[in-house]
Amino acid sequence: GAGVSQTPSNKVTEKGKYVELRCDPISGHTALYWYRQSLGQGPEFLIYFQGTGAADDSGLPNDRFFAVRPEGSVSTLKIQRTERGDSAVYLCASSLTERTGAIFFGPGTRLTVL
Amino acid sequence: GNSVTQMEGPVTLSEEAFLTINCTYTATGYPSLFWYVQYPGEGLQLLLKATKADDKGSNKGFEATYRKETTSFHLEKGSVQVSDSAVYFCALIKAAGNKLTFGGGTRVLVKP
Repeated sequence: GAGVSQTPSNKVTEKGKYVELRCDPISGHTALYWYRQSLGQGPEFLIYFQGTGAADDSGLPNDRFFAVRPEGSVSTLKIQRTERGDSAVYLCASSLTERTGAIFFGPGTRLTVL
Repeated sequence: GNSVTQMEGPVTLSEEAFLTINCTYTATGYPSLFWYVQYPGEGLQLLLKATKADDKGSNKGFEATYRKETTSFHLEKGSVQVSDSAVYFCALIKAAGNKLTFGGGTRVLVKP
């Protein structure tokens, strides 16, 4: 079975542009997470979906960041008016509903804002 | 709030040496504790976990024991290999929570 996949693997954009990052979770996983990992640091939580709804979006840094999961499977993280400080690796992860820590991470999308 | 502190790297070792990476946490209640590993060019992988006090997680020769009295979850391996070169992250999920809180990561380099 396939793991969590993310596209694109790399994204270079200019300051002020809009970007979308896509995540395909493991089939059957109802929980989906977005994390952001800056260079030399641990991943930081952004948002968590249970099904189609955002159960916890407390990690989104500001209103330029938004994520959707309209059909409870694929999710898209959207960043408006990108800033250089948004440069990081954006990680997606999925899990079954129980909090066992069996959270599976994708390879990430490396976003570079010039 | 919840937080995880782990020793800074890089940690450079010779093959077959003993490895310890310290991890301490701050959390209310009884969190579950995890070690994740990130090999060069790969995504984060769960290495081991422990869900209650005195539990020992183990995998691939690595071990960590959940010590509530010292709020620690130190990672150990008795004899490292070059293939263990990676970045190791300690993490927790708080009681009744779903999101992982990570430490800053410790880079380990094992030389032949």
